[in-house]
Amino acid sequence: DIVMTQTPLSLSVTPGQPASISCKSSQSLLHSDGETYLYWFLQKPGQSPQLLIHEVSSRFSGVPDKFTGSGSGTDFTLKISRVEAEDVGLYYCMQGIHVPWTFGHGTKVEIK
Amino acid sequence: EVQLVESGGGLVQPGGSLRLSCVSSGFIFTNFAMSWVRQAPGKGLEWVSGISGSGDTTYYADSVKGRFTISRDNSKNTLYLQMNSLRAEDTALYYCAKDTKELWGRGTLVTVSS
Repeated sequence: DIVMTQTPLSLSVTPGQPASISCKSSQSLLHSDGETYLYWFLQKPGQSPQLLIHEVSSRFSGVPDKFTGSGSGTDFTLKISRVEAEDVGLYYCMQGIHVPWTFGHGTKVEIK
Repeated sequence: EVQLVESGGGLVQPGGSLRLSCVSSGFIFTNFAMSWVRQAPGKGLEWVSGISGSGDTTYYADSVKGRFTISRDNSKNTLYLQMNSLRAEDTALYYCAKDTKELWGRGTLVTVSS
């Protein structure tokens, strides 16, 4: 199975400041079709996971442009340009190239 | 409205069985593969099982292989997860999700305890 390693495990951010989360996969997520199947989700307290980013860097409909995904191969990053109270929650990366889908352990983002 | 609604969770003894259902609406169900993902209390997300749009192809995590069976009834826009030989470690909130990843249900809680 592909192992997804997320760092850090937690972040405490001053409102308005940026945040960055790293995700590394144990194998390349580049498919032969040319797509890289790396996703980012945010799970707000008491809610289901919500898709933020698909295929490394494409924002899902309605996701604000303060969220930016980047990376390639096995190294990926999610950046939040200005963290606000509504961004609090658990952020997960996930690979969708091979079954079983596997998730990172999550990064807890909180406000200072 | 585009949504997924799970049901069928509950308290069951170790070794027991449950069948989860996930009713979809607002999209052409048969066009999409679907998955079950679970989250143990206070823990992260774990993919459990997936099924193709036609239902012909199924996939399972090693942790549930041989005990869980995924299926779907496209005439009823419904996804199922038959869970047998349940163990304490199967205790979790079970979500159904569209394979395109953007649509998740709210989950149904399964508790395995004596």
